[in-house]
Amino acid sequence: GAGVSQSPSNKVTEKGKDVELRCDPISGHTALYWYRQSLGQGLEFLIYFQGNSAPDKSGLPSDRFSAERTGGSVSTLTIQRTQQEDSAVYLCASSLDARLYGYTFGSGTRLTVV
Amino acid sequence: GIQVEQSPPDLILQEGANSTLRCNFSDSVNNLQWFHQNPWGQLINLFYIPSGTKQNGRLSATTVATERYSLLYISSSQTTDSGVYFCAVRLNAGGTSYGKLTFGQGTILTVHP
Repeated sequence: GAGVSQSPSNKVTEKGKDVELRCDPISGHTALYWYRQSLGQGLEFLIYFQGNSAPDKSGLPSDRFSAERTGGSVSTLTIQRTQQEDSAVYLCASSLDARLYGYTFGSGTRLTVV
Repeated sequence: GIQVEQSPPDLILQEGANSTLRCNFSDSVNNLQWFHQNPWGQLINLFYIPSGTKQNGRLSATTVATERYSLLYISSSQTTDSGVYFCAVRLNAGGTSYGKLTFGQGTILTVHP
């Protein structure tokens, strides 16, 4: 597609429920990244995909967080048993090549855990 | 890990003024980007500038990689320039971390009419 698409744009969920966030990168972009931005804060790295593999998962905050990427395209970030501290904007970005090119970000998913 | 420091943390301008934002980083990098986050949260890529100077309209950026800093210049500021400006860098190293951008804490810019 023309840009990085994320869905849903907003999600309100009850504490303890599982949520899935989706990212459609720009067509042909091999690198995909997930970041998290809490209110008034900078961007916190979560995970990076090159193709379907994840060479760097170092930013996932706990084992409640997981992500996968299929077909070298769409990625899903799953948060199990959500907690209030998971409330944040989850941003996805893609890049043509992780080593050579810049990122393009999607508009994000605003997650609110009540 | 690599440290990224941005200054100033906050900046208030009158419309028409010029400004310079600075980004210092602690290690050798192979990527540096400047982003603008608008009041609606959208991150817009301004410049991909691992070295050298680029200009785009009223904005320009310079990165001196050997001295580990980058500058973003905004001339004739407009109210639509308001928002948060982030600098982000990628460590120049192999291994699993080479793809990851590390962000500074941002500069909050407010332009008054």
